[in-house]
Amino acid sequence: AQRVTQPEKLLSVFKGAPVELKCNYSYSGSPELFWYVQYSRQRLQLLLRHISRESIKGFTADLNKGETSFHLKKPFAQEEDSAMYYCALNPRGSGTYKYIFGTGTRLKVLA
Amino acid sequence: DTEVTQTPKHLVMGMTNKKSLKCEQHMGHRAMYWYKQKAKKPPELMFVYSYEKLSINESVPSRFSPECPNSSLLNLHLHALQPEDSALYLCASSQDWGNSYNEQFFGPGTRLTVL
Repeated sequence: AQRVTQPEKLLSVFKGAPVELKCNYSYSGSPELFWYVQYSRQRLQLLLRHISRESIKGFTADLNKGETSFHLKKPFAQEEDSAMYYCALNPRGSGTYKYIFGTGTRLKVLA
Repeated sequence: DTEVTQTPKHLVMGMTNKKSLKCEQHMGHRAMYWYKQKAKKPPELMFVYSYEKLSINESVPSRFSPECPNSSLLNLHLHALQPEDSALYLCASSQDWGNSYNEQFFGPGTRLTVL
């Protein structure tokens, strides 16, 4: 079964500390993975996708097929990073082309 | 215009009412989606339209009726809803359907309360 797991509901870190939001997926094929972010009172928006291998707002995520993970990392957290983060899987090759969202992790960056 | 817009922002309706949610995009996207999001939960896909045709219905009850009048507009008609249908309803669009690389652009949502 296709599944995305984000084990932490809430992650609190101090400003300037490193951040790692965990995401593990279950899919036997070749996945497309995304991180979406929802800031308070704002719409859900794309943060980054693995195919682009880009860094957005200092965040990076590397696809590890061996560990079936796509963890989101930032070396120094900022208060404005506080938001809800969703990892999403689009199972390429499955023919369905629909996102499977994880349950989300709320990141709180403390001053 | 690079945004998905949704109206109304808030809607309160009784169980016997009929109402509609509206979504619009002018990015030339050919795939549009309806999601339901309960508090502190991820979005759950309801419907997908591709080139104005319904491609996916995730076994949604018939009291929810989607409509795609043209490539820019997506409606969700509501009738005889239940209180448990209260949620944030999100619309999204993407360049096309069938390309797993595509980013989905989300609207701000309509917060629906069913009394």
